[in-house]
Amino acid sequence: GAVVSQHPSRVICKSGTSVKIECRSLDFQATTMFWYRQFPKKSLMLMATSNEGSKATYEQGVEKDKFLINHASLTLSTLTVTSAHPEDSSFYICSAPGPRSNEKLFFGSGTQLSVL
Amino acid sequence: KQEVTQIPAALSVPEGENLVLNCSFTDSAIYNLQWFRQDPGKGLTSLLLIQSSQREQTSGRLNASLDKSSGRSTLYIAASQPGDSATYLCAVDSSNTGKLIFGQGTTLQVKP
Repeated sequence: GAVVSQHPSRVICKSGTSVKIECRSLDFQATTMFWYRQFPKKSLMLMATSNEGSKATYEQGVEKDKFLINHASLTLSTLTVTSAHPEDSSFYICSAPGPRSNEKLFFGSGTQLSVL
Repeated sequence: KQEVTQIPAALSVPEGENLVLNCSFTDSAIYNLQWFRQDPGKGLTSLLLIQSSQREQTSGRLNASLDKSSGRSTLYIAASQPGDSATYLCAVDSSNTGKLIFGQGTTLQVKP
């Protein structure tokens, strides 16, 4: 079946640094990918929709300059957390629709970001 | 605005019990509903996808039902096992774009 690969799985960084998270569709093309974040013991909240070849669509309240999304190819979307601060510490996870219509979504394994 | 609620937030049962997890949503105009499993610190595994025209889906010991008019879905787990211990999330797609709105999840513990 379709697989979405996400890495790194865990990142620990100092405050002020930028962190890039990659999300790849391994055996199918994804013109759209979704980025979510999840705080401890909370549900997933959609951050943005990544669109291949065009600008991402951000949900209300999500800072575009803080969370840079690039979808340069049909198999890769990246989320860069710029100038990370401790409050950005969270679990980030991407998803992509499967190659067939009405197919379920496939999720990456997630990235646990800890900002010191 | 669509809101998804899951009850209970946590559930602990002895091994072998049948159990039901509940999910409700405020706007019945959905395209599909999915149930996911999430293990601690891990990603999501899709369990069942129910299209808006369907009433239920089954996979092994899992059965998910959908009553769109009342805004409810249930996930039935038969003969629960310790390996079923995880957080179960339901999510609805109201726009047919793949953008999901998630419930808060039910954390299940099955005791041996």
